[in-house]
Amino acid sequence: DIQLTQSPSLLSASVGDRVTITCRASQGISSYLAWYQQKPGKVPKLLIYGASTLESGVPSRFSGSGSGTEFILTISSLQPEDLATYYCQQVTSYPLTFGPGTKVDIK
Amino acid sequence: QLQLQESGPGLVEPSETLSLTCTVSGDSISTTSYYWGWVRQPPGKGLEWIGSVYYSGSTYYNPSLKSRVTVSMDMSNNHFSLILNSVTAADTALYSCARQGYRSYYMDVWGKGTTVTVSS
Repeated sequence: DIQLTQSPSLLSASVGDRVTITCRASQGISSYLAWYQQKPGKVPKLLIYGASTLESGVPSRFSGSGSGTEFILTISSLQPEDLATYYCQQVTSYPLTFGPGTKVDIK
Repeated sequence: QLQLQESGPGLVEPSETLSLTCTVSGDSISTTSYYWGWVRQPPGKGLEWIGSVYYSGSTYYNPSLKSRVTVSMDMSNNHFSLILNSVTAADTALYSCARQGYRSYYMDVWGKGTTVTVSS
């Protein structure tokens, strides 16, 4: 199975800050990575797929980059509504696996 | 507009069988373009993929659950189902169904989720 790690596990930032979350895979997965946002009490929402393609309707302040084993989710200007936990998921092969999540808190 | 809706008992006794259904509206589950999958999240923990099914009947399961889980489709009623046998308290979780790309595997449309508690 492909294991994913995320750093940091908890991030506290101010409105307007640039925020980056890193996801690392235990083996190369090309660009077969998705990012999800999960707000408290809700199910996950797809933000980015193919490592860098923004899902329709997702604000442009979100962006993704990387390939192989290291990937980054960037929020260019953090907004209050971005309070959530963010998960990466490898979608290259079964079993599908998720990272442990990064909780983003607003200072 | 595609919508997914989970349904099933919110409380299951230990050692019994958990059975959930995901009803799809706005699209046919017999499409060749998507898998249909299940994900769960224990309270306060992360996401775990459970399994996925394709219109052809092909299924893929998380190895950690494979001996206890079955995912199947009912095309006549446009829904797919999850069965998890011999449940324990560790199976208490929010269970969500989702549409999953056939070639890309990412999950782009989710149901609202349903909480299942395993307790006597």
